[in-house]
Amino acid sequence: GESVGLHLPTLSVQEGDNSIINCAYSNSASDYFIWYKQESGKGPQFIIDIRSNMDKRQGQRVTVLLNKTVKHLSLQIAATQPGDSAVYFCAENFYGQNFVFGPGTRLSVLP
Amino acid sequence: DSGVTQTPKHLITATGQRVTLRCSPRSGDLSVYWYQQSLDQGLQFLIQYYNGEERAKGNILERFSAQQFPDLHSELNLSSLELGDSALYFCASGATGISNQPQHFGDGTRLSIL
Repeated sequence: GESVGLHLPTLSVQEGDNSIINCAYSNSASDYFIWYKQESGKGPQFIIDIRSNMDKRQGQRVTVLLNKTVKHLSLQIAATQPGDSAVYFCAENFYGQNFVFGPGTRLSVLP
Repeated sequence: DSGVTQTPKHLITATGQRVTLRCSPRSGDLSVYWYQQSLDQGLQFLIQYYNGEERAKGNILERFSAQQFPDLHSELNLSSLELGDSALYFCASGATGISNQPQHFGDGTRLSIL
């Protein structure tokens, strides 16, 4: 059943194409960021993280880019698959404080 | 599988009642974080426990309380329940007491207040 945000922005991508999901964060002093994936009926699943001393970090089929100048984070998913369909959201952290989570983007993978 | 276990998965109760949600962190993790997720508000941090002690507090109502036991499992107690408390409640665990580290989430408890 529906678990997260009925009115989230949606990104529709053809299977096999690359996906880019964007996030604007709020605190210019935030120094640690995480991307999470949340499937319907499940909890947020850790995908990849990045610290502010880096601009780019790669994982398996995923890349996170951090642009501190404009307070922007992006998640790139290569060769998007049906199993990638989910809500994706970023979380920002300033040392000693707690995570602030973005509202999320729904990724829909079209066959 | 994140290794974080939450029970029960679903809870249906009435206004004015009290419920207890339970969370077992990943093996070796010392911190437990509780979050509330509603359709219109996204994930909101409630409270953190580290090695049995309260570490940080977020937007937690006075009607809500939590504790972490010596075996590191945690319970979130919600009392005098109101319709607006209907939400998904997640716990997450982290290895240490600092917050800027990966947090791994359980699959949540869906609380429905009738």
